[in-house]
Amino acid sequence: EDQVTQSPEALRLQEGESSSLNCSYTVSGLRGLFWYRQDPGKGPEFLFTLYSAGEEKEKERLKATLTKKESFLHITAPKPEDSATYLCAVQPVNSGYSTLTFGKGTMLLVSP
Amino acid sequence: DSGVTQTPKHLITATGQRVTLRCSPRSGDLSVYWYQQSLDQGLQFLIQYYNGEERAKGNILERFSAQQFPDLHSELNLSSLELGDSALYFCASSVGAGVYEQYFGPGTRLTVT
Repeated sequence: EDQVTQSPEALRLQEGESSSLNCSYTVSGLRGLFWYRQDPGKGPEFLFTLYSAGEEKEKERLKATLTKKESFLHITAPKPEDSATYLCAVQPVNSGYSTLTFGKGTMLLVSP
Repeated sequence: DSGVTQTPKHLITATGQRVTLRCSPRSGDLSVYWYQQSLDQGLQFLIQYYNGEERAKGNILERFSAQQFPDLHSELNLSSLELGDSALYFCASSVGAGVYEQYFGPGTRLTVT
C-alpha cells in the first residue's frame, strides 16, 4: 500500500530560523511528488512538482529536493507569512491516472 | 486565486438529508477531482472525472456520487448524510489526466447536525 509520512507534525520557528520539513514515501514506483501549502480553512495551493531523484526546485524562500525515499522542503530565513500547513503528495505509477496520495502535513508556525 | 470555484462555501444540514456540491474547473482544464478533508483523516481522494468520464475512484462511499457535465463543471452528491460526513470538501482541476499539478478550489465546509 502506498504511504506518505510527513514529519514533524508541527514545527515552531523564529523568524529567520531556517529548517527542513520531511516527506517519506513508500510506493511501488513514483510518477511525481507534489508539495502544497494550505492556510486554515482554505484550499491547498500548489508549490512544486518533483519527478526524479536528485531534482531540486526553488521558489522564494522554499526549496524542494527529492531522493528515492523522501523529499525535503527547506525553508530559508522564514517569515511569519510562511506560517501554514505544508502537504506532500505522491502520484504512484500504479495509481489511476493522476490520483494523489497525501500525507497529513506539517503545521509550520513562524513567530516574529 | 486558483481559478477553481466551488459553491456553496458553507452548508449545514441534518442527518439523513441529501446535498449537492458544485465545482467549476479552471478554464481549459479537463480533469476534475473531489477530495474530502477531515481532522483525523487528512486529505482523501474521492473520485476523478476527465472530460465527462469517470477515470478513477478512491475512498468514495456508495452514498456519494459525482458527475461531470458537458461544460466541464462537476457536482458531488452526498446522500443519507451522517454526522461523520462533516468535513471540508475540495474540488481540484488539472489540464489532463497524467502527471499534472492539481489546482484546488476554496472548498465547501459541510456540517451535518
